[in-house]
Amino acid sequence: GQQLNQSPQSMFIQEGEDVSMNCTSSSIFNTWLWYKQDPGEGPVLLIALYKAGELTSNGRLTAQFGITRKDSFLNISASIPSDVGIYFCGGTGTASKLTFGTGTRLQVTL
Amino acid sequence: NAGVTQTPKFRVLKTGQSMTLLCAQDMNHEYMYWYRQDPGMGLRLIHYSVGEGTTAKGEVPDGYNVSRLKKQNFLLGLESAAPSQTSVYFCASSGGRYSNQPQHFGDGTRLSIL
Repeated sequence: GQQLNQSPQSMFIQEGEDVSMNCTSSSIFNTWLWYKQDPGEGPVLLIALYKAGELTSNGRLTAQFGITRKDSFLNISASIPSDVGIYFCGGTGTASKLTFGTGTRLQVTL
Repeated sequence: NAGVTQTPKFRVLKTGQSMTLLCAQDMNHEYMYWYRQDPGMGLRLIHYSVGEGTTAKGEVPDGYNVSRLKKQNFLLGLESAAPSQTSVYFCASSGGRYSNQPQHFGDGTRLSIL
């Protein structure tokens, strides 16, 4: 089956710093999705990517669909306390089945 | 904007008891999904539905049953709860094809089996 490796597992950063996380797949993906989950809530879609090489921004967030179609990254610029949460990547491959990464837990200190 | 609504939000069961989790969406989405989330394992698909009256197995379907009698509702049943089913359950829906329509999630049901 399709496997997603998401890294890092957790990050502790200071407010104002930039953040980068990524996901890699064992097979080619056709869609990459990035979600954020706040404590006690469900995942909320941040960015959706549909084409290899695509670079999409949503405010301070930027995500890219890797050229090889086997990876994606998410960057957060100038982090703020409300960026705290768990970030999940998700992707669909040839089986059209959505697979999620295990998440990156982000902590922001003042 | 209700989106995807899950009930109940919390529940504690004894081993062997049964219960049904309800998911309702008001976005007229065709596709609905049930996931479980366990520490360090991300989201794992239990069952899904591609339309009213249809259901299909996901990655971890054992011990669960589902029904989609109405387009807006997707029910997840535990016939005989086991401690291994202690988890946070999320329902999601999407408007189109499985592969290119992002899923929208509810806020989860936290289920503990004693």
